[in-house]
Amino acid sequence: KQEVTQIPAALSVPEGENLVLNCSFTDSAIYNLQWFRQDPGKGLTSLLLIQSSQREQTSGRLNASLDKSSGRSTLYIAASQPGDSATYLCAAPRGAGGTSYGKLTFGQGTILTVHP
Amino acid sequence: DTGVSQDPRHKITKRGQNVTFRCDPISEHNRLYWYRQTLGQGPEFLTYFQNEAQLEKSRLLSDRFSAERPKGSFSTLEIQRTEQGDSAMYLCASSSDRLTYNSPLHFGNGTRLTVT
Repeated sequence: KQEVTQIPAALSVPEGENLVLNCSFTDSAIYNLQWFRQDPGKGLTSLLLIQSSQREQTSGRLNASLDKSSGRSTLYIAASQPGDSATYLCAAPRGAGGTSYGKLTFGQGTILTVHP
Repeated sequence: DTGVSQDPRHKITKRGQNVTFRCDPISEHNRLYWYRQTLGQGPEFLTYFQNEAQLEKSRLLSDRFSAERPKGSFSTLEIQRTEQGDSAMYLCASSSDRLTYNSPLHFGNGTRLTVT
């Protein structure tokens, strides 16, 4: 059974800081790991998907890394902006193999506040 | 790509009533998922369709819940005899199998259910 934990639960930083969000998972037999953003009262927006064969993936100011052997992923946000304020969720497949596809186990999220 | 659409956005109902939600996935996506999210938690997997076939149901989905995807396009989720514990955000997601295991999930904005 896959379990996903995110640290910290909440983070408040001044604008411009670089920051790191952490995600750990218990079952390392995964094809990929996804990071999502969720604004209050809204659905989830996919930010990055890291395939198991990749070590990291970048999109703009976001960089996500994946270390399957240690069961960890990090999301790095460079030069944070107030518009980055949201909940960030990581999600790993619930098991290995094709039957796990799309059935994700989510962490509880990190609530990020970036103040001007 | 108009995104995943869910209707209604909000639903308030009295305990014991039946409710039905609708999800329209991204048009070329053949996989459709339902998740449930309670306050402060990450989403939890409920059920999954490949085209019109419902391939898996989570143990979270009691007998009062039923989902359909009759023509492999839109999907409905019905909850019968609602209970206060059913209050949550119900999220729909879709994906393509074009990249097999590595197609990201695209989520709708969810339906917020409140059972009074």
